[in-house]
Amino acid sequence: EVQLAESGGGLVQPGGSLRLSCAASGFTFSDHYMDWVRQAPGKGLEWVGRTRNKGRSYTTEYAASVKGRFIISRDDSKNSLYLQMNSLKTEDTAVYYCARVRWGDYGHFDYWGQGTLVTVSS
Amino acid sequence: DIVMTQTPLSLSVTPGQPASISCKSSQSLLHSDGKTHLYWYLQKPGQPPRLLIYEVSNRFSGVPDRFSGSGSGTDFTLRISRVEAEDVGVYYCMQSIQFPPLTFGGGTKVEIK
Repeated sequence: EVQLAESGGGLVQPGGSLRLSCAASGFTFSDHYMDWVRQAPGKGLEWVGRTRNKGRSYTTEYAASVKGRFIISRDDSKNSLYLQMNSLKTEDTAVYYCARVRWGDYGHFDYWGQGTLVTVSS
Repeated sequence: DIVMTQTPLSLSVTPGQPASISCKSSQSLLHSDGKTHLYWYLQKPGQPPRLLIYEVSNRFSGVPDRFSGSGSGTDFTLRISRVEAEDVGVYYCMQSIQFPPLTFGGGTKVEIK
């Protein structure tokens, strides 16, 4: 059974940093691209970014709203995905989901984690 | 970026009745590979989204056959043939033909009368 479990959320002050983790199980993690998607309270879904797999040199892509502040990485030996969030703003407050990508760059999300809440507030 | 526009914003449906949600994209979602990269997700209250339909009309594993998708180019529709109480939540369409970024529709909230 595919499982994704995020952790690391919490309260952080504007300008601060936070690192989220996503533990994967039930599938060959190293084969898949992995994404982060967020959802501000009461709002819709916003794509945050992607890390591709080893075959694509672990290249990353980011939404314009987080580019230069967020860094996505992965550790295939630990079946884990990470989101390093720096220079956080109040508008980054959201539930952050990790999601497995099916079928590459034109693919879609077939499994999602339960999410972890990040609150940016003074 | 491709803009995805969903209508209506919300829908109140009597159990057993059909429901329909529209999703329009600002550009064609038909790829040169012949596939149309349009997907539907359902987010039930307090849960993460889950995949319902991929590539316009293909039901994901375990999705009941009362859910169906149709459309082409820039106009798409998700239909529920007979709404059940467990179908409440927010439905999102998503495109992946132009990446980055992936973009979602604003969502359609379905509730039971």
